[in-house]
Amino acid sequence: DAKTTQPPSMDCAEGRAANLPCNHSTISGNEYVYWYRQIHSQGPQYIIHGLKNNETNEMASLIITEDRKSSTLILPHATLRDTAVYYCIVRVGGIRGGSEKLVFGKGTKLTVNP
Amino acid sequence: EAGVTQFPSHSVIEKGQTVTLRCDPISGHDNLYWYRRVMGKEIKFLLHFVKESKQDESGMPNNRFLAERTGGTYSTLKVQPAELEDSGVYFCASSQARRRGTSGGHETQYFGPGTRLLVL
Repeated sequence: DAKTTQPPSMDCAEGRAANLPCNHSTISGNEYVYWYRQIHSQGPQYIIHGLKNNETNEMASLIITEDRKSSTLILPHATLRDTAVYYCIVRVGGIRGGSEKLVFGKGTKLTVNP
Repeated sequence: EAGVTQFPSHSVIEKGQTVTLRCDPISGHDNLYWYRRVMGKEIKFLLHFVKESKQDESGMPNNRFLAERTGGTYSTLKVQPAELEDSGVYFCASSQARRRGTSGGHETQYFGPGTRLLVL
């Protein structure tokens, strides 16, 4: 089962910031938070990941709370092409000899409106 | 740099037939993963290769599914015989080898476009 909780859907106006929340209250100290998205029926696309510090790249920003129990993905200027299902994933395994599989939940369906 | 590629993009077969899906990972990626999404469900992990070895095959649904990665490059996933419930989208992902010295570090998985399988 996924270790994260996300709202099933959100709407955002084109050009505005999209803030997608995620709860991961049972996250362990060495687990990372990853964000992927799936546009229509394409393969999941990596967006960003972080451990405890806030992260930013050309696609988005990731804000992780100090207690690491929740995070927010920020798309600073959403476009119509950002309409997708966004998945917040706590990475399981990753220790020596362990699997590094991703466990997908239902994600948040973000709709960017013109 | 070429991304993860999968072949075929679509496959329609009849129940009882055999289908083989292929995945070519990003060049130099030691880790290769198979996932699938069946109708109405979440994306689920199937198995993980490190080079040619199966690291984790806990997600393989049953013995009708056989994955191989001879030579540690491309991988195939064979379904024999296919059943109706095997219909769905099969995704492949790859990642680099974990770098020495990283503490709990993970390497990002990059996904292919998927193969849409329909079993009639």
